[in-house]
Amino acid sequence: DIQMTQSPSSLSASVGDRVTITCRASQSISTYLNWYQQKPGKAPKLLIYAASSLQSGVPSRFSGSGSGTDFTLTISSLQPEDFATYYCQQSYSTLYTFGQGTKLEIK
Amino acid sequence: EVQLVESGGGLVQPGGSLRLSCAASGFTFSSYSMNWVRQAPGKGLEWVSYISSSSSTIYYADSVKGRFTISRDNAKNSLYLQMNSLRDEDTAVYYCARDNLGLSWGQGTLVTVSS
Repeated sequence: DIQMTQSPSSLSASVGDRVTITCRASQSISTYLNWYQQKPGKAPKLLIYAASSLQSGVPSRFSGSGSGTDFTLTISSLQPEDFATYYCQQSYSTLYTFGQGTKLEIK
Repeated sequence: EVQLVESGGGLVQPGGSLRLSCAASGFTFSSYSMNWVRQAPGKGLEWVSYISSSSSTIYYADSVKGRFTISRDNAKNSLYLQMNSLRDEDTAVYYCARDNLGLSWGQGTLVTVSS
């Protein structure tokens, strides 16, 4: 199975900050990488698909980049509603795997 | 608008069985692959199973292989997960998710395995 490793596991930041979350795959997955946001008690929400494509309705302050094994999710200017947990997911292999999550907290 | 509504969760004893359902609407269900993904309390997301649009291709995570069975009824716009020989570690919220350039999720149903 393809292992996905996110860093950091948790992050404290302030409104207006620029934040970057990293996801690394155990083998090359081209751009078969998706990012999700999850708030407490809610289902995950798709933010970015195919590494860098913004899902319809997602604010443009979210962006994704990377290919092969290394990927990043960037939030250009944190808003109060962005404090949540973020997960990456590989869809290169249909035995899908997720990163362990990055909890973004208010500083 | 894509709508996925899971049902069938509840409390079950270890070794017991449960069948989850997912009712789909707002899209042509028969055209999309579907998945089950679970999340144990306070933990991350774990993919459980995949089924192609025609049911011709099915995959399972090693943790549930031989115990869980995924199926679908395209005429009823429904996805199912038959869970047998349940263990404590199967306790989780179970989400159904449509597969299309990333996953679109239902609201989830809680399965609790406990004596």
